[in-house]
Parts: sequence; structure tokens; C-alpha cells
Amino acid sequence: GAVVSQHPSRVICKSGTSVKIECRSLDFQATTMFWYRQFPKQSLMLMATSNEGSKATYEQGVEKDKFLINHASLTLSTLTVTSAHPEDSSFYICSARSPGQTIYGYTFGSGTRLTVV
Amino acid sequence: AQSVTQLDSQVPVFEEAPVELRCNYSSSVSVYLFWYVQYPNQGLQLLLKYLSGSTLVKGINGFEAEFNKSQTSFHLRKPSVHISDTAEYFCAVSVSGGSYIPTFGRGTSLIVHP
Repeated sequence: GAVVSQHPSRVICKSGTSVKIECRSLDFQATTMFWYRQFPKQSLMLMATSNEGSKATYEQGVEKDKFLINHASLTLSTLTVTSAHPEDSSFYICSARSPGQTIYGYTFGSGTRLTVV
Repeated sequence: AQSVTQLDSQVPVFEEAPVELRCNYSSSVSVYLFWYVQYPNQGLQLLLKYLSGSTLVKGINGFEAEFNKSQTSFHLRKPSVHISDTAEYFCAVSVSGGSYIPTFGRGTSLIVHP
């Protein structure tokens, strides 16, 4: 089945630095990928929809200048947290929609635990 | 817009006992319903889905769920749980005619005790 690889699984960075998280679809091409943020013991909040070859669509309240999304190829989307602060610490999960699926073909990455110190 | 309510934040249960995780949704249009499982520090895995047809849906790992339109519910059940079922469970809904991007509930932590 479809596999989505997300790296790194854990990252610790200093306040003020930037961190890049990669999301790759390993055995299929994903024209659309999704980035979620999950706070402890809470649900997944959709941050943005990443479209290959075009600008990402951000959800209301998400700072597009802080969370830079690039979807340069059909198998790779990246999320860069710029000038990270402790409040950006969270679990970030990407998801890709399987080819030909619209309703339920979402495959999730294993997530990235970001800690900003 | 659609929404999902998971009524229990945490459900403790003993091994081999039955369990039910509750989920209610709100939507003014037809919905598709899902249950996902998340193990610690991992992504989400689809347990089962309701798209149409039979209201009783069977999924992986012995789980099943029943769609009840009149009660706008989609409760998840398992007749006998194992220690390995300890995880976070998320109910999700997407609506027809829209982007189909699922909206997730807050999650229910299932804790199976020996």
C-alpha cells in the first residue's frame, strides 16, 4: 500500500533557528499533501494543503511566513518552521492523498516531534 | 461546517473485556466517517471507514463501528481488547461535495490493563 515517509522523527532546535521537515510519498505520486499540527492530548489541526507546483493553501490563523511549505515535486513536500520559538514545539504530521482517491485515500507520515529550547 | 465530538478523553479497560469508544458528528450534508488509530509518536493508521451501504462496518484488528444516522453517531467497538490495543483513537468526518479533507475529533485514549 501507499507509504509516506516523514523525517526527522524528532528534532530539538534553539530558539530563533529554522527547522525543515520532509514528507515523501515513497511509492506513489502525490499532487496534494497536507500538514497537521497536534498538541498533546489534542486532535490534529490542519495547517495547510500543499499543492505540487503551486503555492500552499493555509488554514485561517496559520502564519504562512512562519510555516513555509514547498511542494517542488510529486513525491516531496517540506515544512520549514522559521525563527522557531518554544510555542512552536509540537508534533507535526504530514499526509498525502493516494492517486485516484478523494474520499478516504489519506496516508499519514509517522510525525515529527519538534522541541524548541 | 462539520464537527466531531468524542465524548470520552480516556477509556481504561481490562484485557479481554469489550470496549466502546463513542463518536458523534454534526453535519448538514451527507458524511463519510472514519476511525484512525495512533500509537505513541507515530502517524495515523486507518482502522475502518463508512462511505455508504451497510451501517455496520468492520475494520482491522477486530474493530467494528456502526453508523447511526438518526443519532449522528459512529461508535467504535471491539468485543475483546488486547494490551496492544492501547493507543489514541480518532474519529473523523468528511463531507460529500467538499474537499473531502477529514475533520478530526479530539481523540480517545484507550488504556488496556492486564
